[in-house]
Amino acid sequence: DIVMTQSPEYLAVSLGERATINCKSSQSVLYSSYNKNYLAWYQQKPGQPPKLVIYWASSRESGVPDRFSGSGSGTDFTLTISSLQAEDVAVYYCQQYYSTPLTFGGGTKVEIK
Amino acid sequence: EVQLLESGGGLVQPGGSLRLSCSASGFSFSSYVMSWVRQAPGKGLEWVSGVSEGGGNTYYADSVKGRFTISRDNSKNTLYLQMNSLRAEDTAVYYCAKPALGGCSGGRCYWHYWGQGTLVTVSS
Repeated sequence: DIVMTQSPEYLAVSLGERATINCKSSQSVLYSSYNKNYLAWYQQKPGQPPKLVIYWASSRESGVPDRFSGSGSGTDFTLTISSLQAEDVAVYYCQQYYSTPLTFGGGTKVEIK
Repeated sequence: EVQLLESGGGLVQPGGSLRLSCSASGFSFSSYVMSWVRQAPGKGLEWVSGVSEGGGNTYYADSVKGRFTISRDNSKNTLYLQMNSLRAEDTAVYYCAKPALGGCSGGRCYWHYWGQGTLVTVSS
């Protein structure tokens, strides 16, 4: 199974400042034939289902503000919120879909400092 | 508008059974792999199971293999999860999830749409 490890668990950032969340997979999720990383990011607010933010490691979902960006390849990935807004307070999860069982990181809780 | 509506959750004793349903609308249900993802109270997300477009291929997490069965009825636009031999650790909100077009390769998916979830509590 591919183990997804996120860091940090908690992140407190001032409004307007940058938030950076890391995700590391225990093996590469890069499918070299397609040159695609099978990695997604979700945002989950209390009492709500997860919401897709990023897929293929760096493709932003339609309707997601451009302050959200994803980067990385192979085993190391980053979700960046360039200028944190109050509505971005949530838990963020990475997920690999390179192989089954599909697995998630443990989550990063983002709060306002 | 895509809608996924889960039902069937509730309180069940350890060792008991429950069947969850997910009623889908707003898209061509039979064209998509469908999945169940769960979340224990205060915990993270865990993929549970997936089923191919026609129902012929199924995929399971090791934690539920042999106890849970995923199925679908494309004539009713409904996804199911039959849960047997339930354990306390199966207590969770169960979400039905749909991928984006092109968001699945076999059972390997990321999910564009999620239902609101149904709570399953396994306790005596």
